[in-house]
Amino acid sequence: QVQLVESGGGVVQTGESLRLSCTASGFTFGSSAMHWVRQAPGKGLEWVAVISYDGTEKNHGDSVKGRFTISRDNARNTLHLQMNSLRAEDTAVYYCAKVKMNSFDFWGQGTLVTVSS
Amino acid sequence: SYELTQPPSVTVSPGQTASITCSGDKLGDKYASWYQQKPGQSPVVVIYQDTKRPSGIPERFSGSNSGNIATLTISGTQATDEADYYCQAWDGSTALYVFGPGTKVTVL
Repeated sequence: QVQLVESGGGVVQTGESLRLSCTASGFTFGSSAMHWVRQAPGKGLEWVAVISYDGTEKNHGDSVKGRFTISRDNARNTLHLQMNSLRAEDTAVYYCAKVKMNSFDFWGQGTLVTVSS
Repeated sequence: SYELTQPPSVTVSPGQTASITCSGDKLGDKYASWYQQKPGQSPVVVIYQDTKRPSGIPERFSGSNSGNIATLTISGTQATDEADYYCQAWDGSTALYVFGPGTKVTVL
């Protein structure tokens, strides 16, 4: 069965960096576009970034553009999110998600990032 | 940027029908999806491509999308359907994915 397991979350100070990872199994990772979606405490879902199946195309949401970078390692079935210049408003649970027909059909359990000032 | 609007809350009696709307400019020209999220859990897709139901999702969940409004309908609502529901669309002009703000469904 499809499994997505996020890791790398934690508590950091404003302006610091953090790298999230998502390890995938149960499907052909190298054939699937992948996404990061976040959810601030008590708030709604916010799409963060997408990467094509082969890593050649990437897109980031306006609120993270220039600070976050999505990447992938198909040999290791792993998705990454490099987060730089972190702000208090980046505090959230970060989910990796697989997409099918422009819909997120599987989600990980999420990893919590807390940015403290 | 493209925006989706949802009512903050909907209250429904057990066994009745709940309708949750999602509005956006020419939303009917895009595919809409709906996600259910219960406290402390990851979201689960209940409707994709406007009307399709993933395997394992009860038949009481249905969707429609036309004009500027997509609708998620829960027929014969059960207590287990109490959750937050988010609509989502893909904006082809910007290649960005957009979520609505969410609707809290209370079964009372």
